[in-house]
Amino acid sequence: AQTVTQSQPEMSVQEAETVTLSCTYDTSESDYYLFWYKQPPSRQMILVIRQEAYKQQNATENRFSVNFQKAAKSFSLKISDSQLGDAAMYFCAYRSASRKLVFGAGTILRVKS
Amino acid sequence: GAGVSQSPRYKVAKRGQDVALRCDPISGHVSLFWYQQALGQGPEFLTYFQNEAQLDKSGLPSDRFFAERPEGSVSTLKIQRTQQEDSAVYLCASSPWGSNTGELFFGEGSRLTVL
Repeated sequence: AQTVTQSQPEMSVQEAETVTLSCTYDTSESDYYLFWYKQPPSRQMILVIRQEAYKQQNATENRFSVNFQKAAKSFSLKISDSQLGDAAMYFCAYRSASRKLVFGAGTILRVKS
Repeated sequence: GAGVSQSPRYKVAKRGQDVALRCDPISGHVSLFWYQQALGQGPEFLTYFQNEAQLDKSGLPSDRFFAERPEGSVSTLKIQRTQQEDSAVYLCASSPWGSNTGELFFGEGSRLTVL
């Protein structure tokens, strides 16, 4: 079974600074998707960024980028120029042909002004 | 609607009561998922539908949990004889058929508190 591990329960970053959230996963599959979701206090999950495993190029979405290391099964999220609105719980997630998403335990991100 | 809609947003039940949680997915989305999220934890998979067919129910914790999607659109998650450990946020998500992005679109969830 696939597992997703987020080893940082909580992270803090100063506004306008950069922070990196870690994620590792375990799978024997070769074709899959990886995601970072953001969950603000209102609880609705919002997709931040996605990465297809067959693509070697790291995905970027404005201030958000990932460092995808397939051999190491690592998928970290970098947030540049952090803003107060980035404060939330962040979940790393894995999706394979089984279609269901497997989530990590989450990392609470606090942004200090 | 524009997004995934769930109701009720909040439900308080006495232990032993039955509850029903509703999910209205994005129009045209064929895949529908239910997740259970305990406080401070990541969502845990419960069950998956493709149209009206329940293709995976491996995550349902006991036979007290039952989900249906009779017409391939709205889905209901039913919990019978609720227990305190059932207290959680229940998230519904949908996804378009054939999507190669793999993205799921989530509702705001239904928070169940069992007293």
